[in-house]
Amino acid sequence: SQTIHQWPATLVQPVGSPLSLECTVEGTSNPNLYWYRQAAGRGLQLLFYSVGIGQISSEVPQNLSASRPQDRQFILSSKKLLLSDSGFYLCAWIGLAAPTNGFAFGPGTRLTVL
Amino acid sequence: GQQLNQSPQSMFIQEGEDVSMNCTSSSIFNTWLWYKQEPGEGPVLLIALYKAGELTSNGRLTAQFGITRKDSFLNISASIPSDVGIYFCAGPSGTYKYIFGTGTRLKVLA
Repeated sequence: SQTIHQWPATLVQPVGSPLSLECTVEGTSNPNLYWYRQAAGRGLQLLFYSVGIGQISSEVPQNLSASRPQDRQFILSSKKLLLSDSGFYLCAWIGLAAPTNGFAFGPGTRLTVL
Repeated sequence: GQQLNQSPQSMFIQEGEDVSMNCTSSSIFNTWLWYKQEPGEGPVLLIALYKAGELTSNGRLTAQFGITRKDSFLNISASIPSDVGIYFCAGPSGTYKYIFGTGTRLKVLA
């Protein structure tokens, strides 16, 4: 079966510090991978998606970036965090198992920027 | 761009009551997905719909793909306290992207 991992689960970082969040998927190959952000009490905002190694599409211009160094690894980064970067970051995937399985999310990383 | 509007934004209901919520799109969808998110966790897929008019159940949950393909509905029968959470609809936007609705926050009073 397919599983998706995210780490860390929680993170508290000062303004201006760098960021690296990691997402990995098991049990599938060549998945489409996604990063979403959810602000407190809000909906899900698509940040980036990737359809293959090295391929990144950005949805919202901001100080975040994404990379996909391996087929089942997706990384979200920032060189300098802003207060507005606080939120719940969710990685998601969809692969060959779709449409039966739909679109699956990881457990999320809660980021607080102080 | 495409938007998904969910209604109502929040609901407070008594345990045992039925719940209805809906999602509307500014454009036609060929897939509707319904998710539930509990506090501090990622959303979990409840029901997926792939054909206009389709009615699909998952336990006490029933979802329908609207005939116009611009809306979808989710019903929960005989609500229980563990139904608490945020319910999101979602659909494909372009070849690879999925967009999510604004969410319906459900609270069940025992």
